Amino acid sequence: DAKTTQPNSMESNEEEPVHLPCNHSTISGTDYIHWYRQLPSQGPEYVIHGLTSNVNNRMASLAIAEDRKSSTLILHRATLRDAAVYYCILRDVISTGNQFYFGTGTSLTVIP
Amino acid sequence: DAGVIQSPRHEVTEMGQEVTLRCKPISGHDYLFWYRQTMMRGLELLIYFNNNVPIDDSGMPEDRFSAKMPNASFSTLKIQPSEPRDSAVYFCASSLGGGGAYNEQFFGPGTRLTVL
Repeated sequence: DAKTTQPNSMESNEEEPVHLPCNHSTISGTDYIHWYRQLPSQGPEYVIHGLTSNVNNRMASLAIAEDRKSSTLILHRATLRDAAVYYCILRDVISTGNQFYFGTGTSLTVIP
Repeated sequence: DAGVIQSPRHEVTEMGQEVTLRCKPISGHDYLFWYRQTMMRGLELLIYFNNNVPIDDSGMPEDRFSAKMPNASFSTLKIQPSEPRDSAVYFCASSLGGGGAYNEQFFGPGTRLTVL
């Protein structure tokens, strides 16, 4: 699976929007972009995923660049509960398994 | 559903002892994954099963580690003998389906292992 690059850490004020970037310049046409997050002392949890079009769900939005070489996870109003490590992961849709390879992720700090 | 269940939540043992970690996946899920997380190496995939059969164990660090899935509702990860460098949080995850369509992975709360 292609590699992703994320900033090690970011800060945001509470109730403000947060844009978490992810670069994936070697993405292939069959790679899905997935985002998971890991709250302190918990296992990772699903946030959102997409292929080409921007995606919205109750947790976040995913903006995908037109060339798909980068994407941005958008938290519209950060809360203290959003403080976590956010992982951007690529997975080839034609892979026979469902395994994920997590990188180092971005540690998000939310300031009250 | 109770989600993925792991036991024990914490394990402290001495070097050389055998350690067994347990996982109960979500009912109906046909994929099961074991991960290890450390500060140095982050979250690593160790092994995964499909329909109780090990598919890829290339992430298992060495012969001291073994994993089994005797039935669809139970899996174990065993370390024998344990070493201090095995200290980590071990996560189990499960998903319904794999390959092609997207299949969300559901993670358990993890087992924090400390080997003295």
